[in-house]
Amino acid sequence: DTGVSQDPRHKITKRGQNVTFRCDPISEHNRLYWYRQTLGQGPEFLTYFQNEAQLEKSRLLSDRFSAERPKGSFSTLEIQRTEQGDSAMYLCASSSPVNALETQYFGPGTRLLVL
Amino acid sequence: RKEVEQDPGPFNVPEGATVAFNCTYSNSASQSFFWYRQDCRKEPKLLMSVYSSGNEDGRFTAQLNRASQYISLLIRDSKLSDSATYLCVVKMFPGGTSYGKLTFGQGTILTVHP
Repeated sequence: DTGVSQDPRHKITKRGQNVTFRCDPISEHNRLYWYRQTLGQGPEFLTYFQNEAQLEKSRLLSDRFSAERPKGSFSTLEIQRTEQGDSAMYLCASSSPVNALETQYFGPGTRLLVL
Repeated sequence: RKEVEQDPGPFNVPEGATVAFNCTYSNSASQSFFWYRQDCRKEPKLLMSVYSSGNEDGRFTAQLNRASQYISLLIRDSKLSDSATYLCVVKMFPGGTSYGKLTFGQGTILTVHP
């Protein structure tokens, strides 16, 4: 499968714990995005990487959230001191400017439940 | 006001029906427009891009009115497999950058029944 992959697919944690999610983009895509989706809403942009550089962060990304893409390939999203309001699906997407419309392809998401 | 607004529905229609979804966006700097489809507990997938002249892909027709900042999706001859959430999406290029940030509407739920 050459699509975007995310791990884990599901995560249940207790409030106050740290969690880390991984995203592996489509191999030739140099652009990577993280979104968050809560029930009944569309995905909301969190952050964007071009290669290893994090070029934009949404104000939704509080200081408890950190994202990295150390070698310009896979990315991690860490949430420290999780809160119940962090419960959501975390989606990763990748794209390449080679595509004229630059379609963003989404991974299956990591569903987080904070108890 | 939300940047992208959609009627959340739900729309319940019989097979074979024609159904239309509407969407408005608030930022006139929006440059690209899409409809994504999301099945229950799955990731969003691109259904079609929306061009200014309107475009059609089989049973699906998308229209864009930049003056009114309005986007629509028409589904003809609905199938059971069309049941999903349809997300209206706009792309902007922040600060003149070359990358596009997607802004999603909340989605419109469609259920097609026999």
